[in-house]
Amino acid sequence: KAGVTQTPRYLIKTRGQQVTLSCSPISGHRSVSWYQQTPGQGLQFLFEYFSETQRNKGNFPGRFSGRQFSNSRSEMNVSTLELGDSALYLCASRPTGTRMDTQYFGPGTRLTVL
Amino acid sequence: AQTVTQSQPEMSVQEAETVTLSCTYDTSESDYYLFWYKQPPSRQMILVIRQEAYKQQNATENRFSVNFQKAAKSFSLKISDSQLGDAAMYFCAYRSATGNQFYFGTGTSLTVIP
Repeated sequence: KAGVTQTPRYLIKTRGQQVTLSCSPISGHRSVSWYQQTPGQGLQFLFEYFSETQRNKGNFPGRFSGRQFSNSRSEMNVSTLELGDSALYLCASRPTGTRMDTQYFGPGTRLTVL
Repeated sequence: AQTVTQSQPEMSVQEAETVTLSCTYDTSESDYYLFWYKQPPSRQMILVIRQEAYKQQNATENRFSVNFQKAAKSFSLKISDSQLGDAAMYFCAYRSATGNQFYFGTGTSLTVIP
């Protein structure tokens, strides 16, 4: 099976712009989670989608939003970008329905806000 | 919310030697799962090993093993016969058996010295 893919791999934006990141999960995986990774904060959970519904949400402002499509692909949107949004954004998918299912991560999208 | 603590921001080990990375977590639940992930400089996060809390036997995957102490809420990772390719950031993660969210520690950066 193909792994989790994320596009684009790199992005450079300026303050005030908005950005959309895309994630395609492993085939058959219905849960998709998004994380923000920064050197000082580690992995911060943004949200999780399952069957097109947001199931969990982390402590991020409303500028961060997401959605999931019927084929389980997910997008994450950040509006009104701030310098502090510069980070590596990781997407992870997992199968559901088994006791110890595991998250599998994509390579990430490196967002730089100037 | 559950918290996962990795108290060693950086560790180093000589090639072929053994190193242990520490992880503690805080939970009031009895049924949960614990994971160690590795993130090499290429940034793709991969699963190293996982443990079910109700299993007393420590998990082992080749040169990687864990020391799971449920009462102490400790989950350390032992890497034997360290190799240059083991150099990476290592993250400890927790998930409740009844929940969907993963909680990550802040990571330990492992350097392998030739």
